[in-house]
Amino acid sequence: DAKTTQPNSMESNEEEPVHLPCNHSTISGTDYIHWYRQLPSQGPEYVIHGLTSNVNNRMASLAIAEDRKSSTLILHRATLRDAAVYYCILSRSGGSNYKLTFGKGTLLTVNP
Amino acid sequence: GAVVSQHPSWVICKSGTSVKIECRSLDFQATTMFWYRQFPKQSLMLMATSNEGSKATYEQGVEKDKFLINHASLTLSTLTVTSAHPEDSSFYICSARDTAKGGGEQYFGPGTRLTVT
Repeated sequence: DAKTTQPNSMESNEEEPVHLPCNHSTISGTDYIHWYRQLPSQGPEYVIHGLTSNVNNRMASLAIAEDRKSSTLILHRATLRDAAVYYCILSRSGGSNYKLTFGKGTLLTVNP
Repeated sequence: GAVVSQHPSWVICKSGTSVKIECRSLDFQATTMFWYRQFPKQSLMLMATSNEGSKATYEQGVEKDKFLINHASLTLSTLTVTSAHPEDSSFYICSARDTAKGGGEQYFGPGTRLTVT
């Protein structure tokens, strides 16, 4: 499986934008870029995913580099409820598995 | 939005007994469900992929005879931890893919905390 690299931790202030980076230099053409987040003692929550083009949804935006070797999850206005571990995961399309391999993720702290 | 439930949310059992954990997709059908385990301060580790109507596919190092998975319907998968031991104490999380969607995103349950005494 292609691997991703994320910073161990990041800090942000409430109501400011947050840019969470992810490097995936060995990504293949059929790999989707997924982002999930996990609050303490809860199951992960789907945030966003994309293949080549930038994506927006109600939770966040995903900016994908032109060569697809990196991406950035953007939270436009961080709130205290956004404090979580954020996972950037590559998942191969097709087939019946769509397995997700979780790395260590980035622990985001949001300061009031 | 897609909702996945797990039951029970927590369970305490004695060493040597078996525990069954249920995972249900409440508002969508899931041909494929996944089971993960998470130890304190660690990331999620995929244990197995559960496919409706067929045998589960286990990840390397996961004992299939110890962690029995049944996916008998499009909305229910169960994980049974047989002959549980204290080292099986962990946070067990399931996820499900919406069969009707092609995007591959998974929806996770809230997790089940198992403590074996």
